[in-house]
Amino acid sequence: GIQVEQSPPDLILQEGANSTLRCNFSDSVNNLQWFHQNPWGQLINLFYIPSGTKQNGRLSATTVATERYSLLYISSSQTTDSGVYFCAVDSGGYQKVTFGTGTKLQVIP
Amino acid sequence: GAVVSQHPSWVICKSGTSVKIECRSLDFQATTMFWYRQFPKQSLMLMATSNEGSKATYEQGVEKDKFLINHASLTLSTLTVTSAHPEDSSFYICSASLVAVEETQYFGPGTRLLVL
Repeated sequence: GIQVEQSPPDLILQEGANSTLRCNFSDSVNNLQWFHQNPWGQLINLFYIPSGTKQNGRLSATTVATERYSLLYISSSQTTDSGVYFCAVDSGGYQKVTFGTGTKLQVIP
Repeated sequence: GAVVSQHPSWVICKSGTSVKIECRSLDFQATTMFWYRQFPKQSLMLMATSNEGSKATYEQGVEKDKFLINHASLTLSTLTVTSAHPEDSSFYICSASLVAVEETQYFGPGTRLLVL
C-alpha cells in the first residue's frame, strides 16, 4: 500500500516563529487532507488540497502532486497551534485514506 | 456544519464484556463512515469502512467478529468491541464522508476505551 511519511516527527517552536511541515507519499493520490489533532484527540480539518496552494489565516498548504509531496506552513505560531499534524491521502478511491506518521508540534511561550 | 459526534467519550470496562460506541453525523447524511484506531503516540489506522445498509468492509488484520460494525441509518454507525481484552484498549475515532464537499472526511471527537 501507499506509504506516507511526515517530517519532522517532532518540532518545538518559540511563540511567533514560522514552520514548515512536510508530507511525502509514495504513489499518486486522488486527494490529500491536512489535519490538526489537538491534545484532547479531536481531529480538525485544515485543508483539502490534492494539488495547488491554499491559505487560511496563518496557515497555508501546497501540494505538488507530480512530485508526491505536500507542505503545511504555519506562520506566527501560537501556543494553541500545539498538537499533532497529520496529512492523509486517498490513493485508491472510495474515500479510504491513509494517514501519515504525524508531526508533533509544541509551541512554547 | 459537518459535525460528527461519538458516544461515549470515555469507557472503562472489565475484560470479557462488550462495549458499543456510537458515531453520528449531526447535520448531514453520510452514506459512508469510517472507523479508526489510534494507539498512544501513533498515527490513525483504518479499521473498517461502513456503508449504510450493507456489510462493513474490514481492513486486513482486523477481526470482523471482534469488532462488529452496524450502519443502520444515514446518520448512525456503531462499533461494538466484543469480549474486550486489555489489548483492545485504545482511542477509537469515527469519520463521516461528505461527498458533496470535496470528498472531505469529518471526524468525531473519539472514544477512549480502557479494558481492565
